[in-house]
Amino acid sequence: EAQVTQNPRYLITVTGKKLTVTCSQNMNHEYMSWYRQDPGLGLRQIYYSMNVEVTDKGDVPEGYKVSRKEKRNFPLILESPSPNQTSLYFCASSLRRQNYGYTFGSGTRLTVV
Amino acid sequence: KQEVTQIPAALSVPEGENLVLNCSFTDSAIYNLQWFRQDPGKGLTSLLLIQSSQREQTSGRLNASLDKSSGRSTLYIAASQPGDSATYLCAGYGGATNKLIFGTGTLLAVQP
Repeated sequence: EAQVTQNPRYLITVTGKKLTVTCSQNMNHEYMSWYRQDPGLGLRQIYYSMNVEVTDKGDVPEGYKVSRKEKRNFPLILESPSPNQTSLYFCASSLRRQNYGYTFGSGTRLTVV
Repeated sequence: KQEVTQIPAALSVPEGENLVLNCSFTDSAIYNLQWFRQDPGKGLTSLLLIQSSQREQTSGRLNASLDKSSGRSTLYIAASQPGDSATYLCAGYGGATNKLIFGTGTLLAVQP
C-alpha cells in the first residue's frame, strides 16, 4: 500500500531533550515536506526537500532540523524542544513539488512540557 | 502574500442534503489544487486533485472545480451522509509562492 509513515504517533517530552520524528514513504517520491498544525493558524510548512541531499526552509523553520540522506526518509529533528513546539506534525510527499497530489502521514502529536 | 479563505467556516446540514464548500485565493495564479478531508486529531486524506490542465474532478459523490481566472474552487458533496462529517481543507499550489498553501478549513457536520 502506498503510504507515508510517521513515528511516533504520540510523544510527550521535556524541554531541551533532543528528539527525532521519523517519516518514510514507499512511493519513490522526490518531494517531501514537514508541516505543523496549530489551532487558528492552520498548516504551516517547516522544511521541505526537493530530492536527496536537497533541503530548504519553509515558513517556520526555527528550532527544527531535517536531513534527506535517502529518498524514502525525511526525519524531523528537534535539537532542544521548547513548549511552543507543542503541535500536531505532518509529513507529506509528492512525486514532484507541483502538479502532483500530496500524500500525508497520519501525524505526530508532540507535547513538550 | 497568498492567503486562502474557505467559506463557510462551519456548516451543519441534515443528512441527504447537497452542499457546496468554497475556497478562494488572494493570488489567482494557482497552478493546481487539492481537496483534503481531516477527521479530528487525524491525518489528511486526499479527496480530489485538479491538475494544471484540468478544470474539475469527480469521485463518487464528490465534485471539485477550479476557476483559475478568479482563483476560486468549489467542492460539491451530493447526498450528504453522517460519515461525511469532518473538516475539509483546500490547498493550492501557486506559481508566485512556489509551495502548497492551505485554506482555513470548513468544519462540516451532517446530522442523521
